[in-house]
Amino acid sequence: AQKVTQAQTEISVVEKEDVTLDCVYETRDTTYYLFWYKQPPSGELVFLIRRNSFDEQNEISGRYSWNFQKSTSSFNFTITASQVVDSAVYFCALSEANNQGGKLIFGQGTELSVKP
Amino acid sequence: NAGVTQTPKFRILKIGQSMTLQCTQDMNHNYMYWYRQDPGMGLKLIYYSVGAGITDKGEVPNGYNVSRSTTEDFPLRLELAAPSQTSVYFCASSSPRGQGIQPQHFGDGTRLSIL
Repeated sequence: AQKVTQAQTEISVVEKEDVTLDCVYETRDTTYYLFWYKQPPSGELVFLIRRNSFDEQNEISGRYSWNFQKSTSSFNFTITASQVVDSAVYFCALSEANNQGGKLIFGQGTELSVKP
Repeated sequence: NAGVTQTPKFRILKIGQSMTLQCTQDMNHNYMYWYRQDPGMGLKLIYYSVGAGITDKGEVPNGYNVSRSTTEDFPLRLELAAPSQTSVYFCASSSPRGQGIQPQHFGDGTRLSIL
């Protein structure tokens, strides 16, 4: 069965702190894709990153970085030098490659609050 | 390009009423999805479609119906509204083209209250 767990319900940091959002997943497939989405207070969902199960290289995009570790089934997201604009709910999601239609299984989300 | 457009943005219904949530996309995506998001929860899949004329149930389909007569449109129908259907509804689309599972593009959501 597929499952995504984001154990951190809420995180509060002060601006310029680094923060890591955890994501742990479960799947029986060997080929799968992991995603992160951001939901700012305005409510829309913004795609951040996609990673496939064969690519364990970490990725950095500006202040954002992602650490994918198959050995621990984790796909964690770090924001360096956080800013108030980073305040949002962040969702991790999983899609098994053999599922029809590219369906996503979402975690419960982590609400990040960055205070000035 | 408008991307994925959902209407209405807000709606209040009385118990037992019916309504249709509209979703249209202009990216020529084959795949379309309906999710609901309850407070403090992630998104749960209601229905999805892999192309015109083809729909299938997701994780929480009870109380909803969908149709897909064109590639662009994927309306979601609530037949007998119940308080448990109070939620934010998101429509999304993605393309089967390209390597692997492609990211889904989301509409801005419809906030629905059943009173």
